[in-house]
Amino acid sequence: DAGVTQSPTHLIKTRGQHVTLRCSPISGHKSVSWYQQVLGQGPQFIFQYYEKEERGRGNFPDRFSARQFPNYSSELNVNALLLGDSALYLCASSFGQDNSPLHFGNGTRLTVT
Amino acid sequence: RKEVEQDPGPFNVPEGATVAFNCTYSNSASQSFFWYRQDCRKEPKLLMSVYSSGNEDGRFTAQLNRASQYISLLIRDSKLSDSATYLCVVNPLLSNYQLIWGAGTKLIIKP
Repeated sequence: DAGVTQSPTHLIKTRGQHVTLRCSPISGHKSVSWYQQVLGQGPQFIFQYYEKEERGRGNFPDRFSARQFPNYSSELNVNALLLGDSALYLCASSFGQDNSPLHFGNGTRLTVT
Repeated sequence: RKEVEQDPGPFNVPEGATVAFNCTYSNSASQSFFWYRQDCRKEPKLLMSVYSSGNEDGRFTAQLNRASQYISLLIRDSKLSDSATYLCVVNPLLSNYQLIWGAGTKLIIKP
């Protein structure tokens, strides 16, 4: 069975641009969460979607948005990119809403120049 | 005070030794706890959940101390392949599924 898949794996953007990151959860998993991980820090929670509804939002500006599709895949959008948005963006899926356990994709490494 | 704190390390440990590290959390109402392992430039992977009664999985033992608000991870007979960053994860509230992650403790096992 395929695990959590994310695309693209690497991305280079310039300040002010926008970016869309994609995630496909493990088959049967209905919850998708997005995390931002800056080098040397733990993942920071951005969003959780369950059954296509936003169930949680971390402390990120409105430039960050996401959605979940009927097939449970998800997109993370970031507008007006800043240099500080450079990070590894991780998508995680779980069967239920309680995040037990989380299964992560390989991540998308975003570099903003 | 950070919600979840870990000693960043690195812990340099000879192969075969036993190593332990702790993670403290600030919210006394926290309900569930986990240890994840993250290899360099890879995604985190669940190592083990931490139960109130403590739990063991092979060479790994996790403990929860609610009174002092910390969880611990003990690795016995360490292997070179145990070298990684170990992330402590806390779910602060049942009604909020946002997980809080520590910054991780880096472990280096030396031959």
